[in-house]
Amino acid sequence: DARVTQTPRHKVTEMGQEVTMRCQPILGHNTVFWYRQTMMQGLELLAYFRNRAPLDDSGMPKDRFSAEMPDATLATLKIQPSEPRDSAVYFCASGLPGEGETQYFGPGTRLLVL
Amino acid sequence: GQNIDQPTEMTATEGAIVQINCTYQTSGFNGLFWYQQHAGEAPTFLSYNVLDGLEEKGRFSSFLSRSKGYSYLLLKELQMKDSASYLCAVRGNAGNNRKLIWGLGTSLAVNP
Repeated sequence: DARVTQTPRHKVTEMGQEVTMRCQPILGHNTVFWYRQTMMQGLELLAYFRNRAPLDDSGMPKDRFSAEMPDATLATLKIQPSEPRDSAVYFCASGLPGEGETQYFGPGTRLLVL
Repeated sequence: GQNIDQPTEMTATEGAIVQINCTYQTSGFNGLFWYQQHAGEAPTFLSYNVLDGLEEKGRFSSFLSRSKGYSYLLLKELQMKDSASYLCAVRGNAGNNRKLIWGLGTSLAVNP
């Protein structure tokens, strides 16, 4: 049963600390998406990779957020320094160009910045 | 600008049928998705429409009218476990950028 995995599932940290979230896309999927979800804003796209190359990170605050794909099996999202307004659920999703490029979501990382 | 509109909340009764509407205004159209999201969980894929008409998948069906910028998700024989948020998403731009534009979701409560 192929699934997107994310770690950690929960993270509580203090303002100013670095936060690193990791995602393992489904094997064979070549597109990876990072989303942030809050009650007020819904799902916001932060970054989007195809074949490990960044295609769109226009939704990501560049001064504190960064996203990378060191290899095809790992995507990372970093926040440095973190702020209380970054508290949200961060989802990673992966997909294939076929089947409409349906996106399959990981379980998410629940981040709380105090 | 680009926009997805869907009702914020709906309520229905177990065993009944409910229709969740979604209207969109996007620059271009390359497919519409419906996802289900239970509280505290990740969105899961329900359906994909790229051509006009009805796509049926068990108790769930999705309809698309591209000329009207309109879709609906039809849930039949409602069960308590169908209580969830239903998200409409549209792929607007053609070409290399395949990102989706997401609605805020419709929270469906199924009552006994």
